[in-house]
Amino acid sequence: AQSVSQHNHHVILSEAASLELGCNYSYGGTVNLFWYVQYPGQHLQLLLKYFSGDPLVKGIKGFEAEFIKSKFSFNLRKPSVQWSDTAEYFCAVSSDMRFGAGTRLTVKP
Amino acid sequence: GAVVSQHPSRVICKSGTSVKIECRSLDFQATTMFWYRQFPKKSLMLMATSNEGSKATYEQGVEKDKFLINHASLTLSTLTVTSAHPEDSSFYICSAMPAGTGRLVEQFFGPGTRLTVL
Repeated sequence: AQSVSQHNHHVILSEAASLELGCNYSYGGTVNLFWYVQYPGQHLQLLLKYFSGDPLVKGIKGFEAEFIKSKFSFNLRKPSVQWSDTAEYFCAVSSDMRFGAGTRLTVKP
Repeated sequence: GAVVSQHPSRVICKSGTSVKIECRSLDFQATTMFWYRQFPKKSLMLMATSNEGSKATYEQGVEKDKFLINHASLTLSTLTVTSAHPEDSSFYICSAMPAGTGRLVEQFFGPGTRLTVL
């Protein structure tokens, strides 16, 4: 069965710091990968997705993620975070949406 | 576009009663909808996949007689929590996948329903 691991449960950064959130999955076949964000009090929104092609995917709000097949990873990155990026971030795999446990990001102003 | 709504957004009920939660795709048709349960400070747990016109597919460990799912139209799926107990208190989220596409596309999420069973 597919599974998704997010290693960081809570990340605290200062504004302008760089961000990288880890996501690893266990599945040997073709996968589709997603990162979702849940801002406080709001519903899940898609940040970016990977289906095929260029393994470096750019999403909204300056986020990007890199699919590294050999490492079964799809880490989320942002060069310079803002206070408004404070949210819960979820990695998900494939079309039946197996979610990681989520990473809470707190950005201090 | 691609808006999913849920009703109610919040419900409080007594133990032993049943509660129905609706999930609607407002501007697209969805042959497939998903129901999730989100625990505090934890991730989403997929409960079941709801297919229009057929029986839902439940994940292992989810009681299908307790969590009744009906997907009667291309824009509406309902989740009924029967004989609710306090341990059923949770945040229930639905998502919808547009019709006419394969399983490769993203899903659109509803805002969730907070169920509190007293």
